[in-house]
Amino acid sequence: DIVMTQSPDSLAVSLGERATISCKSSQSVLDSSNNRNYLAWYQQKPGQPPSLLIYWASTREFGVPDRFSGSGSGTDFTLTISSLQAEDVAVYYCQQYYTTPMYTFGQGTKLEIK
Amino acid sequence: QVQLQESGPGLLKPSQTLSLTCAVSGGSISSESYFWSWIRQPAGKGLEWIGRIYTNGRTNHNPSLKSRVTISADTSKNQFSLKLTSVTAADTAVYYCAADLIVFGGALARHWGQGTLVTVSS
Repeated sequence: DIVMTQSPDSLAVSLGERATISCKSSQSVLDSSNNRNYLAWYQQKPGQPPSLLIYWASTREFGVPDRFSGSGSGTDFTLTISSLQAEDVAVYYCQQYYTTPMYTFGQGTKLEIK
Repeated sequence: QVQLQESGPGLLKPSQTLSLTCAVSGGSISSESYFWSWIRQPAGKGLEWIGRIYTNGRTNHNPSLKSRVTISADTSKNQFSLKLTSVTAADTAVYYCAADLIVFGGALARHWGQGTLVTVSS
C-alpha cells in the first residue's frame, strides 16, 4: 500500500497569511505514461463530509477559489492557501489515487486561525 | 449535481452485520459517469476507503477488510448498499457513500453523502 504522510498535523495561521501543508507518499504517484500525478487534496469543514479541492496535484476543482493551489511531483506535494480566510478553517487531506481501484488518504492536517 | 444520502442503523452489537444504503439523486447509478464507493472515518481520525461498485456490478474492496465487505446495487431504486459482517468496536465510524469520477484510470471521490455514524457497542 502507498502510505501518505502529511505535515504538520495541525497548523495555526493568521488571517490573510499563507498556509502551507505538505504531503509525502511512500512511493511515486507519477504515471510516466501520461505525466500525471495521481494526487488530490480534500477539505473537510467541521461536521461536513470532505469535498474535493484539487486533483492531478495542481488542478482546482470547479468553484474552488484561486487562493488554493497545489504543487509537487513524484512523492512530495504541497497545498498552499495564499491568503487565509476564516472559512478555510478545516482539516485537509491528501489522497493518492495511483493505486485505483484502491485509494489512500493522509492522516489529515487541521488548519486553524491564529 | 449528484446527491447522496446514507441510511441505516446507528447502533450495532459486536458480531452483528452492518447494513447501510446510499440513495442517489441527480444522476443514475447505471450511467458511466460515476462509480460508487463507501468510505469511513473513525471519530477524530482519517479516511479509509472500503470498496466500490461499478456500473457493470463488479466490485472492489479494501484488502484490509478481508472478506467482510459486500457492496451491491439496486438500479430500480437508484441506490447502492454496504454490508460489513462480524463488526467490532474498531468498525465504529462515520460511514460515507461517494460518487467516484474515474479519469485516466484514477478514481476521485467527487461527491459525498453527509455521512452516517455507526457505533458498535455491547
